[in-house]
Amino acid sequence: GIQVEQSPPDLILQEGANSTLRCNFSDSVNNLQWFHQNPWGQLINLFYIPSGTKQNGRLSATTVATERYSLLYISSSQTTDSGVYFCAVVNTDKLIFGTGTRLQVFP
Amino acid sequence: NAGVTQTPKFRVLKTGQSMTLLCAQDMNHEYMYWYRQDPGMGLRLIHYSVGEGTTAKGEVPDGYNVSRLKKQNFLLGLESAAPSQTSVYFCASRRQGSIYEQYFGPGTRLTVT
Repeated sequence: GIQVEQSPPDLILQEGANSTLRCNFSDSVNNLQWFHQNPWGQLINLFYIPSGTKQNGRLSATTVATERYSLLYISSSQTTDSGVYFCAVVNTDKLIFGTGTRLQVFP
Repeated sequence: NAGVTQTPKFRVLKTGQSMTLLCAQDMNHEYMYWYRQDPGMGLRLIHYSVGEGTTAKGEVPDGYNVSRLKKQNFLLGLESAAPSQTSVYFCASRRQGSIYEQYFGPGTRLTVT
């Protein structure tokens, strides 16, 4: 089956710093999503990005489907960005999640 | 509009006990999913349903059963709980044709001792 790997597994930042999270997938996919799980466990859909680049405020994402990776950029990080970031690829009716990147932002 | 709700929020079971987790959605979604989340492993799909009366196995279905008797509810059952089933369980739902718009419930934290 499709394998989804994320790096780094953990990231510690000071408020205001920028970061890049990476998602690699083992097979061609038509769809990819990024999620944020806040410290209270709630999962929030950030981006649906099968290819190209999208931006939403301080967050942006780029997927290069031909090279089987996606990047999530967080600029000017804030403490509210803390949590776990997951990428997930679509396989028929199902999502296959990566193992996540745990981000901690300190003031 | 409550979205996706899960009952209970927390539960502690002893090995061998049974229980049912309830997921309810009020968005008239066709698809519903049960995931488990373990430390360092992301979310893994247990079972899912593409409509009322249908269920299908996901990545890690062993030890679980599900039922979708009503469109708005998706039940996850553990017949004989094991410590390996200690996890956080998430339910999700979505409309048909909208794979990228899954709505997640708040989770149920289950501990099996």
